[in-house]
Amino acid sequence: EAQVTQNPRYLITVTGKKLTVTCSQNMNHEYMSWYRQDPGLGLRQIYYSMNVEVTDKGDVPEGYKVSRKEKRNFPLILESPSPNQTSLYFCASSTAVVSGRYTGELFFGEGSRLTVL
Amino acid sequence: AQSVTQLGSHVSVSEGALVLLRCNYSSSVPPYLFWYVQYPNQGLQLLLKYTSAATLVKGINGFEAEFKKSETSFHLTKPSAHMRDAAEYFCAVSGASGTYKYIFGTGTRLKVLA
Repeated sequence: EAQVTQNPRYLITVTGKKLTVTCSQNMNHEYMSWYRQDPGLGLRQIYYSMNVEVTDKGDVPEGYKVSRKEKRNFPLILESPSPNQTSLYFCASSTAVVSGRYTGELFFGEGSRLTVL
Repeated sequence: AQSVTQLGSHVSVSEGALVLLRCNYSSSVPPYLFWYVQYPNQGLQLLLKYTSAATLVKGINGFEAEFKKSETSFHLTKPSAHMRDAAEYFCAVSGASGTYKYIFGTGTRLKVLA
């Protein structure tokens, strides 16, 4: 089954304790991206990756890191989480990017709800 | 620059009634437009997309949307609401070339009343 898998789905942590949210896709997509969803703000892009070893900032990258060592995996790293990073996080992947624009579907994981105390 | 505005953060309709969710966009290039649906505790999934072919786009679950350039709108409709349509709906526009962005609206939560 084609899917994007995120782990953990739920996490409660404390300020400053490093954490990693993993994301894996089995569709051989080149493009992967992280979003955060907050009430009233919709989805905002954190980082994206066009391919292995190619990553770039989205609209809200502060406090986050990513890496793309393999095509299928795109982990999101919070080196020193703070309460304002409490949010619902989504990983997504796509293959339909033409001339730097999406023409097709984003495939989303089921989300990771993070609470930072 | 691109942007998307969804009018109404909450919409309630009776079961069997028309569903109309509004989306207006702003785009400096011919837009690619999308509607996604998010059911509780799930990720988003594509309902339908407009990529410069037919202006009336049909999607899954009986939804459709019409691209109106003169009104810069891409409203989502369904003739008859069903209880299972209760979800949050997001309109999105593909960003300008080279930006690799999907710009999402703030979402509209649809409630279906029995």
